[in-house]
Amino acid sequence: RKEVEQDPGPFNVPEGATVAFNCTYSNSASQSFFWYRQDCRKEPKLLMSVYSSGNEDGRFTAQLNRASQYISLLIRDSKLSDSATYLCVVNLSNTGKLIFGQGTTLQVKP
Amino acid sequence: DAGVIQSPRHEVTEMGQEVTLRCKPISGHNSLFWYRQTMMRGLELLIYFNNNVPIDDSGMPEDRFSAKMPNASFSTLKIQPSEPRDSAVYFCASSLRGLDLYEQYFGPGTRLTVT
Repeated sequence: RKEVEQDPGPFNVPEGATVAFNCTYSNSASQSFFWYRQDCRKEPKLLMSVYSSGNEDGRFTAQLNRASQYISLLIRDSKLSDSATYLCVVNLSNTGKLIFGQGTTLQVKP
Repeated sequence: DAGVIQSPRHEVTEMGQEVTLRCKPISGHNSLFWYRQTMMRGLELLIYFNNNVPIDDSGMPEDRFSAKMPNASFSTLKIQPSEPRDSAVYFCASSLRGLDLYEQYFGPGTRLTVT
């Protein structure tokens, strides 16, 4: 079983749609959680951290459910520029070592 | 800030040749990570250093791979001899431990093709 699992997609949505991505992690000792974004043929970049109480950054909302070992990302009012691969990332312990999921591809169409 | 710098950006080599990838982390960062990304396996951590010391090299595929960090501003990943299955994008990332969130900053990557 992979340590971090995501639905690879692709998710094809029209502009303005709301889309949600899910992610599960296997190690209950995981401490920190993130969503990274990777554009085609580019490097991954931090999109947002995920806090236990859930957090929002503009059109993006991240949720964490430690009991179910589940992380989500909600994107409201999708823009063409949101088209990318979204990587679910987990920090297993206090080491700085991050484990990346395979990523979920989003394609927003006009 | 120049960000993480990697060279070369592209490398095409023949099977059996030695390949050396280079990375300059962000100044002041004390952790450095080498990743490999392929379509099949996604982003895999190969090795990481903290304060120039290798901490975890469990992701290094085999003895053909080696990594060094002689000082805080430079690291290399070497493949000798290279094989076609080593073809991938190799990313270097750096971070500053001590921050709560361990955000990693990635370089642009080296796209390696072994023929």
